[in-house]
Amino acid sequence: AQTVTQSQPEMSVQEAETVTLSCTYDTSENNYYLFWYKQPPSRQMILVIRQEAYKQQNATENRFSVNFQKAAKSFSLKISDSQLGDTAMYFCAFTNAGGTSYGKLTFGQGTILTVHP
Amino acid sequence: EAQVTQNPRYLITVTGKKLTVTCSQNMNHEYMSWYRQDPGLGLRQIYYSMNVEVTDKGDVPEGYKVSRKEKRNFPLILESPSPNQTSLYFCASSLTQRAWNEQFFGPGTRLTVL
Repeated sequence: AQTVTQSQPEMSVQEAETVTLSCTYDTSENNYYLFWYKQPPSRQMILVIRQEAYKQQNATENRFSVNFQKAAKSFSLKISDSQLGDTAMYFCAFTNAGGTSYGKLTFGQGTILTVHP
Repeated sequence: EAQVTQNPRYLITVTGKKLTVTCSQNMNHEYMSWYRQDPGLGLRQIYYSMNVEVTDKGDVPEGYKVSRKEKRNFPLILESPSPNQTSLYFCASSLTQRAWNEQFFGPGTRLTVL
């Protein structure tokens, strides 16, 4: 069974600075996808960025980028130039690209990020 | 607008009183699923459906039922709710169950069982 661990329950950062959220996972699969979701106070789940395991290049989306270390099973999210609107709970998630996961996303515990003005 | 809708958004009920949380998507997605979110546990899958009349258990199915009679709808049924089902519930849908299809989430339903 796959597991996803986020060891930082809470993080804070000053506006315009950079912050990195950590995520580790455990799987015996070789082909899978990893995601970061943002959940603002509205509770809506918003996909921030995703990484395909077979791609060595780290994914980037504007101010958001990941550091994917497949051998270490690590998938951290870096937010550059933090903005007040980045304040949210962030979830790391995993899904197996093979047939056995049946579309299931396995989530970490979440990290509450607060951006201070 | 492409979206997943859930109703109700908030619900307070009492132990044992049957309830249904509806989920509907307008994107013609084959795959739909339900998750519950609890503090310190993240989101966990309750049930999923790969298409009409095809449903199966996720990681935490006890105390829940689902049905998929139409492609767009995937209701979650709690026949005898208990306080340990107090949680935040999300419905999600994607084109298929394939990993590369983005999953779209509904706005969430906050359920309190007294």
